[in-house]
Amino acid sequence: EVQLVESGGGLVQPGGSLRLSCAASGFTFGSYALSWVRQIPGKGLEWVSSISGSGGSTYYADSVKGRFTISRDNSKNTLYLQMNSLRVEDTAVYYCAKYGSGSSNWFDPWGQGALVTVSS
Amino acid sequence: SYALTQPPSVSVSPGQTASITCSGDKLGNKYVCWYQQKPGQSPLLVIYEDNKRPSGIPERFSGSNSGNTATLTISGTQAMDEADYYCQAWDSSTAVFGTGTKVTVL
Repeated sequence: EVQLVESGGGLVQPGGSLRLSCAASGFTFGSYALSWVRQIPGKGLEWVSSISGSGGSTYYADSVKGRFTISRDNSKNTLYLQMNSLRVEDTAVYYCAKYGSGSSNWFDPWGQGALVTVSS
Repeated sequence: SYALTQPPSVSVSPGQTASITCSGDKLGNKYVCWYQQKPGQSPLLVIYEDNKRPSGIPERFSGSNSGNTATLTISGTQAMDEADYYCQAWDSSTAVFGTGTKVTVL
């Protein structure tokens, strides 16, 4: 069974930093791209970032480009999201998700989410 | 930037058919997938590549995509289908989610 478990969420002040982790199991980790998707409580889903299976290609939403860094350690089956210069509007539940792949890509499954609260 | 628009809410009676639309420019030229999210839970993939159902998703969930509109159809809607539903497509290497639709089973 594929499992994704996020950790590292919490309360941080504006301008601060936080690193999220996503521990994966149940699949050949390095063979799949992964993503971070966030959701402000009570609001919709927003894609944040994606990384290829090798880690050689990364992609970011304009809203986080230059502030967030996605990375992965294939020896530890773990995905990361380093978040710097955090803003109040970054407050959200952050989900990691595995790519499914065929003619297109989709997100399946998703982790349980980690809440990040940016507040003074 | 590319945008996907969904109706905020859809109401359906048990056993009836619910249709949720997702609109975007030339959306029919892209693959669309759909996610179900129940309160307090993570999103769950219910349709991928326009009309394919993942293992374990009931046959009452189906999808279509043509022109500027993709549609998720729930046939014989059950109370357990009450949830938020999001469409998603790709614009270059960027994933774009729809605005979300709350399905209420009355």
